[in-house]
Amino acid sequence: GEDVEQSLFLSVREGDSSVINCTYTDSSSTYLYWYKQEPGAGLQLLTYIFSNMDMKQDQRLTVLLNKKDKHLSLRIADTQTGDSAIYFCAEFPRGGATNKLIFGTGTLLAVQP
Amino acid sequence: EAGVTQFPSHSVIEKGQTVTLRCDPISGHDNLYWYRRVMGKEIKFLLHFVKESKQDESGMPNNRFLAERTGGTYSTLKVQPAELEDSGVYFCASSQVRTSGRGYSNEQFFGPGTRLTVL
Repeated sequence: GEDVEQSLFLSVREGDSSVINCTYTDSSSTYLYWYKQEPGAGLQLLTYIFSNMDMKQDQRLTVLLNKKDKHLSLRIADTQTGDSAIYFCAEFPRGGATNKLIFGTGTLLAVQP
Repeated sequence: EAGVTQFPSHSVIEKGQTVTLRCDPISGHDNLYWYRRVMGKEIKFLLHFVKESKQDESGMPNNRFLAERTGGTYSTLKVQPAELEDSGVYFCASSQVRTSGRGYSNEQFFGPGTRLTVL
């Protein structure tokens, strides 16, 4: 199947860590992505992880991948008000001639000052 | 370098009318994609062009939707006639040619989207 699930909403206080979770069902996916959408803007690629990796860190962002449970998470350290946005996880299934991404519903992150 | 641009940013039309959305990909990107997000749900794939050819149109909802990419540059997505359930945000994305191996991330660059409202 091709279903990617995310919780719809997360609220945190400025300075705290945020953890956004995602589950996917296609075990053949080669890459998993996190996109950010700010109000009125397009989707911005934040980070991605290759399927044979367990973790990837990039400044305040940490991506964890649990392939056994098909679970992906994005941790944002020291969350700022500018991090308020919708965060989408997406998978890139292996094989086939298409490059289509399978997205989740998006998680709205609200950062309280 | 200019990013992916889309026009218009917003469109409000009545049921039964026709609307044409336009996407200009990043220069040099052969891959162009259309996606749609309806009513706060997931972003769903519609169509993938490689240059001017349709590589995958499995996500197109029905024959009221027609996508074209004449000359392999910009693309249009026409909805005719529009129905209420077509309302949503239509995103366009572009990427470079896919290569094999783990060094390629298939990064797709997205435009800001066109918000379509059908009344």
